[in-house]
Amino acid sequence: ELKVEQNPLFLSMQEGKNYTIYCNYSTTSDRLYWYRQDPGKSLESLFVLLSNGAVKQEGRLMASLDTKARLSTLHITAAVHDLSATYFCAAPRRGADGLTFGKGTHLIIQP
Amino acid sequence: ETGVTQSPTHLIKTRGQQVTLRCSSQSGHNTVSWYQQALGQGPQFIFQYYREEENGRGNFPPRFSGLQFPNYSSELNVNALELDDSALYLCASSLGGGTSIYEQYFGPGTRLTVT
Repeated sequence: ELKVEQNPLFLSMQEGKNYTIYCNYSTTSDRLYWYRQDPGKSLESLFVLLSNGAVKQEGRLMASLDTKARLSTLHITAAVHDLSATYFCAAPRRGADGLTFGKGTHLIIQP
Repeated sequence: ETGVTQSPTHLIKTRGQQVTLRCSSQSGHNTVSWYQQALGQGPQFIFQYYREEENGRGNFPPRFSGLQFPNYSSELNVNALELDDSALYLCASSLGGGTSIYEQYFGPGTRLTVT
């Protein structure tokens, strides 16, 4: 059974700092998804990584995928308060029907 | 382009009752997936419907059932509600069945509280 693990689960950081969220998954997958969730809201798609070595950037966020290491990272550059949210990574289930999500990383960015 | 919509927004039910949640997929999408998100947890896959057929199911009991209609909208039915069914229920629409390269677009969710 596919397991997706994120770390850290909770992160408090100051504005202007850089940090990385890690996502490990237990079985082979060539795709990895990152979502953002604000309190009481639904999931917003951030990145879809479709191949080994894929790197995508949007503003202060950059995501990468290493399928051999079964690892994806979400890097935050010069964090700003608006990036405070919970971030989830997800990988396709073995049956390629739905997604298996990690527990999420609750990110708080303080001024 | 119309996004994914869900109804109702909030719902309070009593243990043992039955509930139906509804989802309208994004225009042009033929696949709907349902997820349950307990407080403080990541979403858990319930099942997926593709072209009106169940296309896969997660580790949920049979009292969780669903339907997809010809217009690709979908319903999630939960019978014999239990307290642990209290959660945010999310539907996601996509194109092409399974977890193809296409993104899954999530609706705003239905918050179900079972008392």
